[in-house]
Amino acid sequence: GAGVSQSPSNKVTEKGKDVELRCDPISGHTALYWYRQSLGQGLEFLIYFQGNSAPDKSGLPSDRFSAERTGGSVSTLTIQRTQQEDSAVYLCASSLNSGQIQETQYFGPGTRLLVL
Amino acid sequence: RKEVEQDPGPFNVPEGATVAFNCTYSNSASQSFFWYRQDCRKEPKLLMSVYSSGNEDGRFTAQLNRASQYISLLIRDSKLSDSATYLCVVNRNYGGSQGNLIFGKGTKLSVKP
Repeated sequence: GAGVSQSPSNKVTEKGKDVELRCDPISGHTALYWYRQSLGQGLEFLIYFQGNSAPDKSGLPSDRFSAERTGGSVSTLTIQRTQQEDSAVYLCASSLNSGQIQETQYFGPGTRLLVL
Repeated sequence: RKEVEQDPGPFNVPEGATVAFNCTYSNSASQSFFWYRQDCRKEPKLLMSVYSSGNEDGRFTAQLNRASQYISLLIRDSKLSDSATYLCVVNRNYGGSQGNLIFGKGTKLSVKP
């Protein structure tokens, strides 16, 4: 079946511009996560959506970052007034969230963001 | 102390070698443990979950030591295709929901002919 998809695959923008990154989770997965990975670094958790519950935004690095999930499916991560340090690969993952502790997260291919 | 800590490597081993990676975590309340694999410029993919009793999947064996808060991954008979970065992953939230995962920075493995 279809996996997690993300768009665009690459994005080059100028400092100060806003960008929107999109994630389509696996159909039926109620949990959706955003991470970012800077060059040579580990994955950094950004935000987590679970069904209709309030999202866990504890990982968002600043108020320039926001995310929403419409209809419990597609999610958009928005970065306002981009800075060069925002350059990274932004990864989206989804999971079934069946309530099991050992639940696999499936990752999309990521969006490579470069802020000039 | 970092939430999840791994030796970054690289581990350069010949084909057929046995190699072991360790990982330590700081949150004693963590309940979910995984090893993910990430190939260069690709997304992470689950390699295996780690259970308290230890588990094996072919050439791969994972162990969990809750008392010492470390996780290990053993790869036997290394193949060239095993070359990748191995990410140790632990959940942050305690309780019935997995919540978000904390990823280590990864250990790079390079298997040479």
